[in-house]
Amino acid sequence: NAGVTQTPKFQVLKTGQSMTLQCAQDMNHEYMSWYRQDPGMGLRLIHYSVGAGITDQGEVPNGYNVSRSTTEDFPLRLLSAAPSQTSVYFCASSAGEKGSPLHFGNGTRLTVT
Amino acid sequence: QKEVEQDPGPLSVPEGAIVSLNCTYSNSAFQYFMWYRQYSRKGPELLMYTYSSGNKEDGRFTAQVDKSSKYISLFIRDSQPSDSATYLCAMSTNYGGSQGNLIFGKGTKLSVKP
Repeated sequence: NAGVTQTPKFQVLKTGQSMTLQCAQDMNHEYMSWYRQDPGMGLRLIHYSVGAGITDQGEVPNGYNVSRSTTEDFPLRLLSAAPSQTSVYFCASSAGEKGSPLHFGNGTRLTVT
Repeated sequence: QKEVEQDPGPLSVPEGAIVSLNCTYSNSAFQYFMWYRQYSRKGPELLMYTYSSGNKEDGRFTAQVDKSSKYISLFIRDSQPSDSATYLCAMSTNYGGSQGNLIFGKGTKLSVKP
């Protein structure tokens, strides 16, 4: 079982560059989300999706875009990277039903110089 | 005041000790309470899940929720070195869907020494 797969595992960007963090799940989950984890800040929700074609903003959406064209994939785009976006990014998915757990990927470690 | 408060530790205990981890929260609408365990350089994994108030036990782990005090706890009995990880509390007003977005505590780093 692959579960939630995130690529790449590590990335270094220069300020102003753009990139896409990939997330794929093979559990047919309707709900997917992106979190960032920073020291002393915990996990903060960036964007989420309750199904293909539906996305919404979380707590810290600025500087990030998402789309959900299929159930399996939920990419996160950084349009113009800034040093403040240096973080560990986690993608997560859930069946969305009451009691269903949130499954996390193993993260992408992003450094913006 | 942040919605969910969790002491970041670090917490160091000897093997076999009973560990108590706690979170407080301010939003009385939270109904679902979870504990996640995160090993170094890995994603969080669900450890315990509780709905509303009460206790839940799973092996060496017990989760308690006291909604009147807005306080949740995770107890680990007979702690093992393999329990060394960061423990994150999380809560939600509704599990799943657009209302199921979890609010996480900052996590407590636990080290169990052999």
